[in-house]
Formats: sequence, structure tokens, C-alpha cells
Amino acid sequence: EVQLVESGGGLVQPGGSLRLSCAASGFTFSDYWMHWVRQAPGKGLVWVSRLSTDGSTTMYADSVKGRFTISRDNTKDTLYLEMNSLRADDTAVYYCARGLYGHSVGFDYWGRGALVTVSS
Amino acid sequence: QSALTQPRSVSGSPGQSVTISCTGSSSDVGGSNYVSWYQQHPGKAPKLIIWDVTKRPSGVPDRFSGSKSGNTASLAISGLQAEDEADYYCCSYAGSYTFVLFGGGTRLTVL
Repeated sequence: EVQLVESGGGLVQPGGSLRLSCAASGFTFSDYWMHWVRQAPGKGLVWVSRLSTDGSTTMYADSVKGRFTISRDNTKDTLYLEMNSLRADDTAVYYCARGLYGHSVGFDYWGRGALVTVSS
Repeated sequence: QSALTQPRSVSGSPGQSVTISCTGSSSDVGGSNYVSWYQQHPGKAPKLIIWDVTKRPSGVPDRFSGSKSGNTASLAISGLQAEDEADYYCCSYAGSYTFVLFGGGTRLTVL
């Protein structure tokens, strides 16, 4: 059974940093592109970042470019999101999601999310 | 780029059918066969229910179907059941710079 479990969320002050982790199991982690998608309280889904299977290719939404860094450790089946210079509008539930396999675009499995609250 | 446009809410009675629209532009929905739909119950993670416009993952009932015409994609749900009450989000590939856009979400109420 595919499982994605996020951790590392919490309360942080504006300008602070936080690192999210996503532990994957039930599939060959190194075969899949991985993504982070966030959802502000009461709002819709917004794609944040993606990472290639070997970690060499990254992409970010403009809203987080230069502040967030996505990475992975295929030996530990874990995806990360390093978040710096956090702002109030970064407050959201952050979901780790697996990209569809092959030549398609979408997300077939999601974690339960990690809540990040940016507030003084 | 702005989010894709979805109706804020739709409703139907058990057994009826409803359709949720998702309108974008030629840069995303109209120019892509990579449209997907997600179901999200309150407090839960999203679940993939349609990918590549019309494909259904195993385990998703055939009451759910997807289609596309021009810049608008649609999700149809037939034989409404109480458990279908949820938020539904569309998502489309939007090019190599933006990657994907989501719709703003539609709340489905089963009366």
C-alpha cells in the first residue's frame, strides 16, 4: 500500500525557517517525480514544487522561488521541503504528492499533510 | 497565471447527476490533455478521481467521468450518493514555466 507521511510542520515566526519531511513507503520511491502542494486555510490547492527521480531537476512556483528548496534522499525514501524567509501567506497545510508515472501530469497519491503556521 | 475557474458550489439529490465545469485558456485546459480531477472530503487529503481528461484510476466508480471541450473541462457524477459530498478540484498542465494550475474548487452538496 502506497503511503506518504509528512512531518515537521508547526508554528514559526515571520522570517523564520522550517523543514518538512515526507516519508514514502509501498512503492519504489526512486521511480517517481515528487511534489509539494499546499492549501491555505479554507482555500484551494496550489502547486508549490516538484523534483525529478534523481533529484537533479527542480521547479518552483513563483511565490516560493528563492525561498523554498525541494530535495530527496532515495536511500531513505524521503522527500524534503526546506522553507526559509517564511511569510504569513505561507500559512497552509503542505501535502506531499506522488507524480503520475510515465508521460502524464497529475498526482496519484497524497499524504495527509503538515500544517505550517507563520505568525508572531 | 490565474487559477482555473470552477463554480463555487453545485448540488443534487441522491440518484441525480451533476456536472462541474473547469474553465481555463488555450494555454492550459484548451492546449493540454493533462487534466485531472481530485475529490477532497473535509479534513482529508485530496484523492485522484480522473486523469488525462477521461481516465479513471482503479477503484474509482464509473459514476465519475471526465470530458473536455475547447478551454473547458467537465466532471460528471451520476447516481449521486451521500458520500460524494465533498470539494472537487480540477488541475491542468499549464506549460513548462507554470507547470500546473488548479481550479478554485467546487463544493458538492448532496441534498
